[in-house]
Amino acid sequence: KNQVEQSPQSLIILEGKNCTLQCNYTVSPFSNLRWYKQDTGRGPVSLTIMTFSENTKSNGRYTATLDADTKQSSLHITASQLSDSASYICVVSRTLNDYKLSFGAGTTVTVRA
Amino acid sequence: EAQVTQNPRYLITVTGKKLTVTCSQNMNHEYMSWYRQDPGLGLRQIYYSMNVEVTDKGDVPEGYKVSRKEKRNFPLILESPSPNQTSLYFCASSPTGQSNQPQHFGDGTRLSIL
Repeated sequence: KNQVEQSPQSLIILEGKNCTLQCNYTVSPFSNLRWYKQDTGRGPVSLTIMTFSENTKSNGRYTATLDADTKQSSLHITASQLSDSASYICVVSRTLNDYKLSFGAGTTVTVRA
Repeated sequence: EAQVTQNPRYLITVTGKKLTVTCSQNMNHEYMSWYRQDPGLGLRQIYYSMNVEVTDKGDVPEGYKVSRKEKRNFPLILESPSPNQTSLYFCASSPTGQSNQPQHFGDGTRLSIL
């Protein structure tokens, strides 16, 4: 069973609207959680990383939250744009020197005009 | 421009015909890794390398080989490809492999084994 579960699997939103993606993990111990954005036909690109002590971190219109007690993270996209159409992948690591990361299966976001 | 370059980007081949997917990075990174990405399963690590001449198995190493003779190159070798190795493959690198460093990914190689 995957130790990182993402939901929903996919979603469609209208341009200008907001959306929130979920990531639940069972990985233990916990060091950090990273969100990647993967455009179609490209490799993933890091959006943000959160450590145990951080609750919220923003990168432009992307805001990630982390609740280490409930082992949940969310990625909120504000005022979506067509360029936000992509897959968003949640990645969890156990330790700083964890060279084997736990990847979620991703959420595919489609933004329509 | 800092990048990870994979070749080929697309390949269709037949069962049993040895193939190599090349990966090169120009960022002087010590850590490199190979992943495969399949629908519904996400990225799964095949092999990784902490530095030259140091490689280790990931979660799904069966049927694959790697080598790290130079810091910048990390080829993935399929000695006898089989249809279950049809997938999208990504090479990635990071400065030292510590998890607080983002991995830089190539744009992928789509392999189809008939």
